[in-house]
This record gives sequence, C-alpha cells and structure tokens, in this order.
Amino acid sequence: AQSVAQPEDQVNVAEGNPLTVKCTYSVSGNPYLFWYVQYPNRGLQFLLKYITGDNLVKGSYGFEAEFNKSQTSFHLKKPSALVSDSALYFCAVRDIGTSYGKLTFGQGTILTVHP
Amino acid sequence: GAVVSQHPSRVICKSGTSVKIECRSLDFQATTMFWYRQFPKQSLMLMATSNEGSKATYEQGVEKDKFLINHASLTLSTLTVTSAHPEDSSFYICSASGLWGRDNEQFFGPGTRLTVL
Repeated sequence: AQSVAQPEDQVNVAEGNPLTVKCTYSVSGNPYLFWYVQYPNRGLQFLLKYITGDNLVKGSYGFEAEFNKSQTSFHLKKPSALVSDSALYFCAVRDIGTSYGKLTFGQGTILTVHP
Repeated sequence: GAVVSQHPSRVICKSGTSVKIECRSLDFQATTMFWYRQFPKQSLMLMATSNEGSKATYEQGVEKDKFLINHASLTLSTLTVTSAHPEDSSFYICSASGLWGRDNEQFFGPGTRLTVL
C-alpha cells in the first residue's frame, strides 16, 4: 500500500520569506512523487514531479522540491513567497509497481502568504 | 498540450434525478481516466479508474451502481450520478493519463461542482 502524509494543515509565511510545505511518503517500491496546487473551485495544477535523477527538482512558478530517500520526504520549497502563492497544496505518490498509475494524495496543506 | 476539460463546471439538480459529467482529453488520447471526489477543504478521494473499452475499477466503498462510469473512447469518459441525493453534493474531478512520453503523469480537469437540492 502507498500513503502520503502532509503533517501541517496550514502554513503561514510573510511575503518575501522562504516557504516550505512538508510531505512524507510510504511505498513498497520506488516512488513517483508529485506536487499539485489547487485554487478555490478549480482543478489541480501540476507544479513538479520526481521520477528519477537529481534529488532537487525544479518546477513551475519558482517552486522546487527535494527528494530524500532516507527520510522518505519530498518537501516543497520556494525561496521567496508571493501573496499569489496562497492556495491549497497537495503532495501525491505513485508506486512505480502499481498498475494504471493510481495516485495517492496527502490531505493537503493550506498555504497563506501575508503581505 | 495535455488539456483535460470537464462539462458542466457546475450543476444543480433535484434529489432523485441523475446527472452526467463529461471528461475529455482535448489534445491527447487518454488510455486511462480517473474520477475523484473532493469534499470542502479535504483531499481528493479516488472513486474509480477506467480504461478505454473496459469496465471501470471502483475503489472500496464506492457504489458502482450509484456512480456509473463509461469510457467509450480514448478522449471521453463520463460519470453519471444516478438518483442523486444531497449527500452526493461534492466537487468531482477527473484526470487522464496516456500522454506519450509522460505516461506516468495524470492531467486534471477543472472539476465539476454538483449540488443536489
């Protein structure tokens, strides 16, 4: 079975400061890892993914994430937060061994960036 | 590329009626489509996975007779909520995979807000 945990329901940060949204995962094999962002009443927008290769992954809108196999983590980061980054963020994992590409999502983290 | 649309974006219906939601991959052939349900401020719950031309695979606890899924072509999947009741009110999101070279990714539709009165 695969699972994802986002330990923080909410993250608050001041504009211009760095932000981190945490994610840990559990899979039986090797993971595919994803971050998505959701704005109110909208679908999910893809931010970045880790499939293989460099542990530091760069994505859309200045976001990046670091894959840490020993800690089974994939934290989302941004050096300088913007008010427009305020949204709901989801981490998701797929076990490479699963059929049909089934994704498991974390419970989501509400990011609020204050002016 | 990799655009997924959903129709309608919002629907309000009376209790007991059936509602059909369409999910289309606009610029690629989706070998697999997924249907999710999301309650306010909660995560996405996978309801079912469908492959073109075959029966959908439902997640545990999801009533297949209540939520009918059809994936008749490589660009269209439909979710029909039969005899809808207020507790079926939710945000339904579809996703599609199968884009050549990125078949490990799912591309999400904008969602459909269902309100059952």
